[in-house]
Amino acid sequence: KQEVTQIPAALSVPEGENLVLNCSFTDSAIYNLQWFRQDPGKGLTSLLLIQSSQREQTSGRLNASLDKSSGRSTLYIAASQPGDSATYLCAVHTGKLIFGQGTTLQVKP
Amino acid sequence: GAGVSQSPSNKVTEKGKDVELRCDPISGHTALYWYRQSLGQGLEFLIYFQGNSAPDKSGLPSDRFSAERTGGSVSTLTIQRTQQEDSAVYLCASSLAGTSGRPSYNEQFFGPGTRLTVL
Repeated sequence: KQEVTQIPAALSVPEGENLVLNCSFTDSAIYNLQWFRQDPGKGLTSLLLIQSSQREQTSGRLNASLDKSSGRSTLYIAASQPGDSATYLCAVHTGKLIFGQGTTLQVKP
Repeated sequence: GAGVSQSPSNKVTEKGKDVELRCDPISGHTALYWYRQSLGQGLEFLIYFQGNSAPDKSGLPSDRFSAERTGGSVSTLTIQRTQQEDSAVYLCASSLAGTSGRPSYNEQFFGPGTRLTVL
C-alpha cells in the first residue's frame, strides 16, 4: 500500500530564508508527483507537477525534485515571503492522487 | 468557467438526511475526481470518472455514498442517511483525458470544496 509522508509537519522561518520541504513515498511505481498549496479554508492550488521520468521542475522561486528510486521529493522555496505561508501538500499519482499530511509553513516578516 | 467550481460552498445538515454536492469541472476536462479532507484522515480519494463512467470507486467509504456524472461534465456526489463522521470538506478535481483510452495522469486542478457539517 502506497504511503506518503511529509516532514516536517510544521515550519516557521523568518522572511528571506531559503527552505526545503520533504516528501517520501513507499512505492516507487508512480506516474507523477504533484505539489500543492492550500490556504486556510480554501481548495488546493497546483504548484508543480513532475512526471516520473523527470528529475526536477521549476516555477519562479519554487523548485521541486524527484528521486523515484529512493521514493523522495523535495520542494525548495527560495527567498521566502510572508505570502508563502500556507500548507504544502505532496501527492503521488498512481491512478489517483495519494496525499501526504502536509507541511504547514509560516514565514514571519 | 476558468476553474473547477463546486456548490454549495457550505452545507449543514441533520444526521439521517441526504445531501447532494455538485462539481463543475474545467471545460474540456474529461477526467473528474472526488476527494474528502477530514481532520483525522487527511485528504482521501473517493471516486474517479473518465467521461460518464467510473472505473475506480474504491475510495467510497460505504454504500451510502454514490456519485454520477452526466454529459461528461457536471458530477454529483450523494450521501444518503448522513452520519456525523461524514463531516468533512469534499473536494473535486478535474484533468485532461489520458491518451489512447488509458487513465489520465495529467495535472489535476481542484475546486474550492464543499464544507459539510452533519449535526
